[in-house]
Amino acid sequence: GAGVSQSPSNKVTEKGKDVELRCDPISGHTALYWYRQSLGQGLEFLIYFQGNSAPDKSGLPSDRFSAERTGGSVSTLTIQRTQQEDSAVYLCASSLGGQGYYQPQHFGDGTRLSIL
Amino acid sequence: GDSVTQMEGPVTLSEEAFLTINCTYTATGYPSLFWYVQYPGEGLQLLLKATKADDKGSNKGFEATYRKETTSFHLEKGSVQVSDSAVYFCALSSGGGADGLTFGKGTHLIIQP
Repeated sequence: GAGVSQSPSNKVTEKGKDVELRCDPISGHTALYWYRQSLGQGLEFLIYFQGNSAPDKSGLPSDRFSAERTGGSVSTLTIQRTQQEDSAVYLCASSLGGQGYYQPQHFGDGTRLSIL
Repeated sequence: GDSVTQMEGPVTLSEEAFLTINCTYTATGYPSLFWYVQYPGEGLQLLLKATKADDKGSNKGFEATYRKETTSFHLEKGSVQVSDSAVYFCALSSGGGADGLTFGKGTHLIIQP
């Protein structure tokens, strides 16, 4: 397809388990972003990749969160030892990169994560 | 740091009414400004954008003008339809992409026939 693809669309897991969320950006988009959407916090920016590099990881909520991107394409967001407060919709977006000022981000449908 | 403030609603209007959703921002430098829309059961979609002062973004009958003097980017539509019912998010980008988008809390718009 032409859009940003995320999988799984829904994930239910028990507290303490690890989860891995996947994002496949639009072909040719060099920039990739992860966000979290929750009722209490709204939309929070987590991390940004330009190519395979993430210049700033300070937006990740805790050291249980990590993200990587390989081959300048697919990215995975991993949450270790999940907690109930991790329950949210995790959104991925991509853009043409370069000067982000002028490049709007295109969003996937998200992964709805529920921690029991 | 950067921030975006918008009315949260819900905002309920009758069909064909005039719509304004206020958005103000705080940012360093000269950010780009965006409105995104999330229709029920769907993902976030870019509605319109403006990249410099006095630019007007427009799409699907919606408009917003980048006002640097009032740090505002209010969304307007002259005659709303039931199909416009959605959540609208105002957002800015000021870091060249390095710090992602800063979003407002979103405004839930309900249009009644």
